[in-house]
Amino acid sequence: AQSVTQLDSQVPVFEEAPVELRCNYSSSVSVYLFWYVQYPNQGLQLLLKYLSGSTLVESINGFEAEFNKSQTSFHLRKPSVHISDTAEYFCAVSRNSGNTPLVFGKGTRLSVIA
Amino acid sequence: DAGVTQSPTHLIKTRGQQVTLRCSPKSGHDTVSWYQQALGQGPQFIFQYYEEEERQRGNFPDRFSGHQFPNYSSELNVNALLLGDSALYLCASSLKAGATGELFFGEGSRLTVL
Repeated sequence: AQSVTQLDSQVPVFEEAPVELRCNYSSSVSVYLFWYVQYPNQGLQLLLKYLSGSTLVESINGFEAEFNKSQTSFHLRKPSVHISDTAEYFCAVSRNSGNTPLVFGKGTRLSVIA
Repeated sequence: DAGVTQSPTHLIKTRGQQVTLRCSPKSGHDTVSWYQQALGQGPQFIFQYYEEEERQRGNFPDRFSGHQFPNYSSELNVNALLLGDSALYLCASSLKAGATGELFFGEGSRLTVL
């Protein structure tokens, strides 16, 4: 079975400052890794994913995450945040065999302060 | 291109009642998964439907049941509602043949049990 630990429940950060949201996972098999974002009163939207290949993956809005197999981590980073990045961020893992259920962490609330 | 749509968006029930939630998958998708997101928690996998059959199930009691129709839409039924069933219920669709594990989520149905 897989599990995900998001180490910070809340992260406040000033606008234009860098941010890192931490995610560690546990699994006995190879995995796919995901970051989803949830804006208030909305469903989840995929931010970025790691399936295979390059361990550094990027989103279209400036976020990036790096898969570190030895540390079983998939931390999310952004060099300069905007007010509009305020949201709940969920790290998720699944077995790398397609259409297996996602296991989510408890989420990290990112609050960007003007 | 319509995304995943869910109905109703909000509903209130009392303990012991039954509820049915509905989901239409993203156009072209054939697999529907349901997740429960309690307040302050990450989504938890309930079950997945493909070809009108339940294919995978999470750790939820038999009070939770579902159905998938020939047009790929799906229903989630919960019987004998408990206060602890209050949550946001998320539907997600995907392609069974896809190997990426990527899910597309609806905005959810928020159930309050009094």
